[in-house]
Amino acid sequence: AQSVTQLGSHVSVSEGALVLLRCNYSSSVPPYLFWYVQYPNQGLQLLLKYTTGATLVKGINGFEAEFKKSETSFHLTKPSAHMSDAAEYFCAVRPYTNAGKSTFGDGTTLTVKP
Amino acid sequence: DTAVSQTPKYLVTQMGNDKSIKCEQNLGHDTMYWYKQDSKKFLKIMFSYNNKELIINETVPNRFSPKSPDKAHLNLHINSLELGDSAVYFCASSHSPRGALRNTEAFFGQGTRLTVV
Repeated sequence: AQSVTQLGSHVSVSEGALVLLRCNYSSSVPPYLFWYVQYPNQGLQLLLKYTTGATLVKGINGFEAEFKKSETSFHLTKPSAHMSDAAEYFCAVRPYTNAGKSTFGDGTTLTVKP
Repeated sequence: DTAVSQTPKYLVTQMGNDKSIKCEQNLGHDTMYWYKQDSKKFLKIMFSYNNKELIINETVPNRFSPKSPDKAHLNLHINSLELGDSAVYFCASSHSPRGALRNTEAFFGQGTRLTVV
């Protein structure tokens, strides 16, 4: 069984400020980890993912995330927020075994203030 | 070219009606999913099909019945619609979670906003 906790359902930052969206997971087997972004009235789009190898992964739009096994975390960061980053962000975990079921966090709404 | 397409995008219907949502993907994936996103934006998986075989069937009322005529299509039929069924339903597809490409992500459709009145 696996679960995902996204700390902070709403995060507000100023344009140009650091973005930090937190994700902690639990999984009984090594996980695959994903961050998705959802813009208003759109489907989910992959930002980045961790499967194996390098624990710092870079994604689209300047986002990156670091897999920290000891902390069971996969926090999403971006050095400088842009107005276009305002959206809903979802962290997801999927076990590397063949179960195939992804579990999504409850989402974090990112607001970017001018 | 839309990778995962759902129709309709909006669906408003009365309680008690039966409705269907269609989904098609042109990515060559062999696994498809239905997710439900409620008004608080919580996203929950409902069903998953791999090569037309049902592999995930979460606790969903049996008024909901998925049908996969082939690998590229997964439709969702809902009988006797209730107010609580109002939500956004997302179709998604991916490579098989059992194969060599199981570490790849899912691709989502644009969603179908179902409103039951």
